[in-house]
Amino acid sequence: SQKIEQNSEALNIQEGKTATLTCNYTNYSPAYLQWYRQDPGRGPVFLLLIRENEKEKRKERLKVTFDTTLKQSLFHITASQPADSATYLCAPWRGSQGNLIFGKGTKLSVKP
Amino acid sequence: KAGVTQTPRYLIKTRGQQVTLSCSPISGHRSVSWYQQTPGQGLQFLFEYFSETQRNKGNFPGRFSGRQFSNSRSEMNVSTLELGDSALYLCASSWTSGRGNEQFFGPGTRLTVL
Repeated sequence: SQKIEQNSEALNIQEGKTATLTCNYTNYSPAYLQWYRQDPGRGPVFLLLIRENEKEKRKERLKVTFDTTLKQSLFHITASQPADSATYLCAPWRGSQGNLIFGKGTKLSVKP
Repeated sequence: KAGVTQTPRYLIKTRGQQVTLSCSPISGHRSVSWYQQTPGQGLQFLFEYFSETQRNKGNFPGRFSGRQFSNSRSEMNVSTLELGDSALYLCASSWTSGRGNEQFFGPGTRLTVL
């Protein structure tokens, strides 16, 4: 069955450092992969979408990579700030009219 | 542009009761998806509606059902509530279906089953 794993439940880093979150998937080949941010008590908010034919995508301090051979996506936040503290969810889309499948998320804490 | 709205925001029910949750998508969006979020299982897909038709369905029992109206507003219903149904129920809208488009989520309905 399709499976998504996000590297760890929690990641603690110091302000100013780069946070790197990992999303691994097995048993399918997504056409797109999305990343979302979720704050406590709120719905997820879309951040970035990367297609299978794109290796990398950037948006301000965010960078996403997509390696279809490794079946992995990396999500980077450079120059991290305490305001970046949240849970980050990856969501590969398998295509063919299918729905998004969400990973359980990684809770990022950025300490000042 | 107004975001996705969900009502009610909080709900307390007892086992065996039924509940109906409502979702109003962003104006112009025709796809509405429903998700259940719990600490143990994360965000799990329930179903998606597009133009009043169910397009996809997750792996949930038949007690979970939904519908979509002609104005794209959607409702989901859970009958014969169980303690394990306690969760945050999120709906998300998108302008179309089947394209892996970004989802715009509402704030969720927190359901507690006693």
